[in-house]
Amino acid sequence: GENVEQHPSTLSVQEGDSAVIKCTYSDSASNYFPWYKQELGKRPQLIIDIRSNVGEKKDQRIAVTLNKTAKHFSLHITETQPEDSAVYFCAASWAGGYQKVTFGTGTKLQVIP
Amino acid sequence: NAGVTQTPKFQVLKTGQSMTLQCAQDMNHEYMSWYRQDPGMGLRLIHYSVGAGITDQGEVPNGYNVSRSTTEDFPLRLLSAAPSQTSVYFCASSLDRGVGYTFGSGTRLTVV
Repeated sequence: GENVEQHPSTLSVQEGDSAVIKCTYSDSASNYFPWYKQELGKRPQLIIDIRSNVGEKKDQRIAVTLNKTAKHFSLHITETQPEDSAVYFCAASWAGGYQKVTFGTGTKLQVIP
Repeated sequence: NAGVTQTPKFQVLKTGQSMTLQCAQDMNHEYMSWYRQDPGMGLRLIHYSVGAGITDQGEVPNGYNVSRSTTEDFPLRLLSAAPSQTSVYFCASSLDRGVGYTFGSGTRLTVV
């Protein structure tokens, strides 16, 4: 089955700096890669996703890049703000299958004011 | 439109007891899943369903049963609770494959 590794497990940045979280996946058939943000005590919420026919996607301060050959994808947050502090999860699935989504172990991002 | 509703929010069980975690969605989503969240281990898939009457096992199915008699409901049953099942449980649904999940608010379960 699919295995998703996520690094780093914790990340501290100064407000205004950029943050990068990296994930690798094992199943070359995976073609859908969502990212979720989970604030303390809350449910995970989808913040951005990318499909394998696209190399990069941006939404305001958030961007995701995908390298299919290397089987890794990354989340980039620019101009970080204190409200970006949360746990971020990457995930991978095969959109042609049964929506069996495998998650990474999470990155706790702390933005220091 | 309530989204994904989970009940109860908190539960304490004694070892060996059984219970059902409820999950309902009102978005007409075909795909529903149950995950457990443990510190440092992310979200692990327990069971999932691709429509009424169709379920399958995920990564950590032992000790849990599911059924999907309607599109709206996807209950998770703990057959004989064990301390290792202490966790936060999330139900999630999506409209289609290759589309992001909507999560419920979670159930925090403690087995003593």
